[in-house]
Amino acid sequence: GESVGLHLPTLSVQEGDNSIINCAYSNSASDYFIWYKQESGKGPQFIIDIRSNMDKRQGQRVTVLLNKTVKHLSLQIAATQPGDSAVYFCAEIRSGGYQKVTFGTGTKLQVIP
Amino acid sequence: DTAVSQTPKYLVTQMGNDKSIKCEQNLGHDTMYWYKQDSKKFLKIMFSYNNKELIINETVPNRFSPKSPDKAHLNLHINSLELGDSAVYFCASSQKGTDTQYFGPGTRLTVL
Repeated sequence: GESVGLHLPTLSVQEGDNSIINCAYSNSASDYFIWYKQESGKGPQFIIDIRSNMDKRQGQRVTVLLNKTVKHLSLQIAATQPGDSAVYFCAEIRSGGYQKVTFGTGTKLQVIP
Repeated sequence: DTAVSQTPKYLVTQMGNDKSIKCEQNLGHDTMYWYKQDSKKFLKIMFSYNNKELIINETVPNRFSPKSPDKAHLNLHINSLELGDSAVYFCASSQKGTDTQYFGPGTRLTVL
């Protein structure tokens, strides 16, 4: 079946460095993607989204890049801080009627002080 | 000012028991969801309700029965609990026509 997956289950980054979390998706019909952050003991929290007609979107310290040719999504976090330590999920959404979200397997980001 | 709340936060019970998890959202959303997150952090949608009507029902054992008394509440009742039901269950809500889901803090269910 269709899937959304992440290449790296765990990523360790020095504080202050930039982080890049990758995600591969296989359903070319997906037209919307979201990155969620899940801190320990909490529910996933929306970080940033991107529509399939875009290839880049920037937020505060975060940038999402979408490469539809290779079905690849990435989340870049600038100047990573200890508070960025969490599990990050990419999710794909297929529009048309009610929203159904398919989550990737998650990447754990560990920030080394 | 909690947006999506769940009770209880932790639930420990014996195999074969029946238990319920409650979810409430005060965001005025019309769509609510239940997700199951396993020990490897994989999130899988179970159910989705819009205005108290079931919209999405993934392949979930019929021991799981969602109930939506009104559009601000979506409760999850589980009959004859099994060891494999141990997981963290998340409730979420969104407004139809928008794409962002807001998640509750989760309920950690442990079946002994």
